[in-house]
Amino acid sequence: NAGVTQTPKFQVLKTGQSMTLQCAQDMNHEYMSWYRQDPGMGLRLIHYSVGAGITDQGEVPNGYNVSRSTTEDFPLRLLSAAPSQTSVYFCASSFSGVGQPQHFGDGTRLSIL
Amino acid sequence: DQQVKQNSPSLSVQEGRISILNCDYTNSMFDYFLWYKKYPAEGPTFLISISSIKDKNEDGRFTVFLNKSAKHLSLHIVPSQPGDSAVYFCATNTNAGKSTFGDGTTLTVKP
Repeated sequence: NAGVTQTPKFQVLKTGQSMTLQCAQDMNHEYMSWYRQDPGMGLRLIHYSVGAGITDQGEVPNGYNVSRSTTEDFPLRLLSAAPSQTSVYFCASSFSGVGQPQHFGDGTRLSIL
Repeated sequence: DQQVKQNSPSLSVQEGRISILNCDYTNSMFDYFLWYKKYPAEGPTFLISISSIKDKNEDGRFTVFLNKSAKHLSLHIVPSQPGDSAVYFCATNTNAGKSTFGDGTTLTVKP
């Protein structure tokens, strides 16, 4: 009963490096999203997907890429890491439809030096 | 412009008393409102929700009230327990993949 699994849990990068944050869900949810949470702030939407092959931008998409080739997986790619991308990243999934609650992973804590 | 606002960053209550967490929103077109609870080093977990066509929803010790004319909702926890100490986020949901969150309120319940 894994739910939403995010890897890695922690990562330190140097400015300019690229990396992929992994997210997988085993609940057959159609919708998946990526958020970032900065200290003292709420969750801000980076990118989201309403199904395999369909993605769209959220509130803060710059510097990030996503793709959704399967229902289960929704990786987030940092193209060229910047210190401003230091944050905690959460992946979430839900069934389709308004009002459906999202299920979150435990987050990836990312530091960019 | 922040569409969902939680104006109280923190709240401290005594065990057994009522906790009231507040949330204001700007867009009257929002269809659903949800509350999530978050412990340190964990992801948020869903707590309770309310449709915009209702004014109250209750689940055990948790009740959410919606005042559409004031664009305000509140979460009541009665009685409060030390295990309720966490960060509470208010969120709106017009599309299940695209929610908007408030900045959160840290609730501390003192034994």
